[in-house]
Amino acid sequence: GENVEQHPSTLSVQEGDSAVIKCTYSDSASNYFPWYKQELGKRPQLIIDIRSNVGEKKDQRIAVTLNKTAKHFSLHITETQPEDSAVYFCAASTGGTSYGKLTFGQGTILTVHP
Amino acid sequence: NAGVTQTPKFQVLKTGQSMTLQCAQDMNHEYMSWYRQDPGMGLRLIHYSVGAGITDQGEVPNGYNVSRSTTEDFPLRLLSAAPSQTSVYFCASNVGIWSGELFFGEGSRLTVL
Repeated sequence: GENVEQHPSTLSVQEGDSAVIKCTYSDSASNYFPWYKQELGKRPQLIIDIRSNVGEKKDQRIAVTLNKTAKHFSLHITETQPEDSAVYFCAASTGGTSYGKLTFGQGTILTVHP
Repeated sequence: NAGVTQTPKFQVLKTGQSMTLQCAQDMNHEYMSWYRQDPGMGLRLIHYSVGAGITDQGEVPNGYNVSRSTTEDFPLRLLSAAPSQTSVYFCASNVGIWSGELFFGEGSRLTVL
């Protein structure tokens, strides 16, 4: 089955700095890669996703890049703010009827210091 | 819309007891799933359903049963609780084949003594 590795497990940055979280996946059939943000005590929520026919996607301060050949994808957050502090999870699936069958990474605890 | 509703939010069980975690969604989503979240391990898929009457096992199905008799409901049954099932459980739904965005419930924290 799919295996998703996520690094780093913790990341501490100063407000205004950029943050980068990286994930690798093992199954070449995976074609859908979402990122979820989970604030303390809350439910995970989708912040951005990318499909394998796209190399990069941006949404304001957040961007995701995908390298299918190397089987890795990354989340980039620019101009970080204290409210970006949360746990971030990457995930992968083969899409279609397996859209809800996500394999998640282990999570990254991001702390943004004011 | 209430979205995805899970009950109970907290539960303490003794080893060997059984219980059912309830999950309901009012968004008319086709797909529903159950995940468990443990520290340092992310979320892991327990069971999955693409519609009423159709279920499939996920990564960690042992010790859990599901059924999907309606589009709205997807209960998770623990048959004989074990301490290894202490975890936070999330139910999720998504539209179906056209969208991968999962909508999660608030979670159910289960402790097995």
